[in-house]
Amino acid sequence: AQSVTQLGSHVSVSEGALVLLRCNYSSSVPPYLFWYVQYPNQGLQLLLKYTSAATLVKGINGFEAEFKKSETSFHLTKPSAHMSDAAEYFCAVSDSNYQLIWGAGTKLIIKP
Amino acid sequence: DGGITQSPKYLFRKEGQNVTLSCEQNLNHDAMYWYRQDPGQGLRLIYYSQIVNDFQKGDIAEGYSVSREKKESFPLTVTSAQKNPTAFYLCASIQANTEAFFGQGTRLTVV
Repeated sequence: AQSVTQLGSHVSVSEGALVLLRCNYSSSVPPYLFWYVQYPNQGLQLLLKYTSAATLVKGINGFEAEFKKSETSFHLTKPSAHMSDAAEYFCAVSDSNYQLIWGAGTKLIIKP
Repeated sequence: DGGITQSPKYLFRKEGQNVTLSCEQNLNHDAMYWYRQDPGQGLRLIYYSQIVNDFQKGDIAEGYSVSREKKESFPLTVTSAQKNPTAFYLCASIQANTEAFFGQGTRLTVV
């Protein structure tokens, strides 16, 4: 069975610093990979997705993620954190049968 | 605009009462999902449906029921058998090999 691991339930960075949220997946075939963001009391919003085209994927709000097959990773980065980036971020993998496998989420805290 | 609509945004349930959460989509997606969110526990799958008139239990289906009579609609009933229903409930829809679209959620509280 597929699984998704997000390292760190909470990540704290200073405003203006690099954001790095880690996601590793287990899959025997190249999957579809997603990052979502959730603000308090709201639904999840797609940040970006990997669908086997370019390995470096650019998303909304200045975020990007790189698919590394050899490391089975899909880490999310942003060069400079903004206070508005404070939210919970979820990594997910899709199999071919509509199913999404979710990571446990990482809460991003931005320090002024 | 296409999307998913959940209603109500806030819902209060008395002990022993059944309540129904609404989820409607106009994206023409085949599959629909219900998730439960508790603080620090991520998304837990309650039920999903990949086709009209068919649905499958997820990881935490006990105390919940669903129906899928129309492609657009996937209501969730929280029954009195669910002993700890206070949570944030999210509905989503998806087509094969594309991203999931989420509603804005319903916060259910037992009073």
